Amino acid sequence: GDSVTQMEGPVTLSEEAFLTINCTYTATGYPSLFWYVQYPGEGLQLLLKATKADDKGSNKGFEATYRKETTSFHLEKGSVQVSDSAVYFCALISGGYNKLIFGAGTRLAVHP
Amino acid sequence: ETGVTQTPRHLVMGMTNKKSLKCEQHLGHNAMYWYKQSAKKPLELMFVYNFKEQTENNSVPSRFSPECPNSSHLFLHLHTLQPEDSALYLCASSQAPGQGLDQPQHFGDGTRLSIL
Repeated sequence: GDSVTQMEGPVTLSEEAFLTINCTYTATGYPSLFWYVQYPGEGLQLLLKATKADDKGSNKGFEATYRKETTSFHLEKGSVQVSDSAVYFCALISGGYNKLIFGAGTRLAVHP
Repeated sequence: ETGVTQTPRHLVMGMTNKKSLKCEQHLGHNAMYWYKQSAKKPLELMFVYNFKEQTENNSVPSRFSPECPNSSHLFLHLHTLQPEDSALYLCASSQAPGQGLDQPQHFGDGTRLSIL
């Protein structure tokens, strides 16, 4: 079945460091890919999405490119802030169904 | 984001109690979902409703009983829960399949449930 694999956390960075959180997927067909972020005490917020190969999703300085050849959707940010500390989830929907498949989540901690 | 509102935010109940979680969406969506988020486990999809009809029950125990009276409201009725049911319960909504490209789901802030 469809699945999403994320790098294990926690990821600990200093402010202004470069961030990469790896995400790879397994799916039949051509899934849509998403990154969600969960701040402490809150639900999940959609951060960005890409619906076809080579699409780049971007929001709040975060970017991810849909790479069909490597089945990857890695999340990147050039300069993280303390306020980016949260748990990040990679997810996919495939086959025209509305069933989101989530990765396990990666906790990011950014220190001043 | 206030598009999906869940109440209560926190709930403590005994194993013999009956309670209900409520979710309301103001986004004009026609699909709604319940998820369970436990510590150190991936998000688990519990139920899916499309146009008020249940289309998915992910082998959820019968002590959890969902209700979707209309496309804007979703309830999760709880009775005789177990300690392992303590978790964050998240509600989400989206456009139903067939309404365009795969639509993202929008989440509420969840209800933190603790079973004594």
